[in-house]
Amino acid sequence: DTGVSQDPRHKITKRGQNVTFRCDPISEHNRLYWYRQTLGQGPEFLTYFQNEAQLEKSRLLSDRFSAERPKGSFSTLEIQRTEQGDSAMYLCASSKQGNTEAFFGQGTRLTVV
Amino acid sequence: AQSVTQLDSHVSVSEGTPVLLRCNYSSSVPPYLFWYVQYPNQGLQLLLKYTSAATLVKGINGFEAEFKKSETSFHLTKPSAHMSDAAEYFCAVSDLSGTYKYIFGTGTRLKVLA
Repeated sequence: DTGVSQDPRHKITKRGQNVTFRCDPISEHNRLYWYRQTLGQGPEFLTYFQNEAQLEKSRLLSDRFSAERPKGSFSTLEIQRTEQGDSAMYLCASSKQGNTEAFFGQGTRLTVV
Repeated sequence: AQSVTQLDSHVSVSEGTPVLLRCNYSSSVPPYLFWYVQYPNQGLQLLLKYTSAATLVKGINGFEAEFKKSETSFHLTKPSAHMSDAAEYFCAVSDLSGTYKYIFGTGTRLKVLA
């Protein structure tokens, strides 16, 4: 069990650029979540996958955001045409079917300048 | 809708004194409740969880929490604070709709004074 891995840990991008983040969950976990955490706030749910199926998306996930989990293993979160308001920590978590406990990665901190 | 409220955004204690971090929840059904800790620029680490078994839950690093249905509370306590406990603490409730996604509180920053 190597834990949930996220890459990159930090990303600085110019406004208007596209960025993509990757999450590798714990290998036997079929549930995968993305959260966004802004400064001084708790994490907010963005989207949820069960295996390769994206089953829920928050209204926070605007049209500029897209997430995939093509083979039910790793997941990517892409933000198109980044805005300064997208600056945040993006956290990935995974859990096993039937288990309420989620394990979090170290997060990707995005700064849009 | 489920929600959690963390009543204190900042708590300061002296090393060796007790810690109390407060969390109240709102849920129409018996909830699953969690406490996570976050160190600067890190992800979240689970401290403990309540899933309708014992109401007093023991976690890692000497922390424990008591589920009180009558008060809709799940406060986090530790008998004696250590400098290494300084961090941000989040209370969360699990959505029971099937996704088990978390709804987090706004967090409590714990400062431990020497």
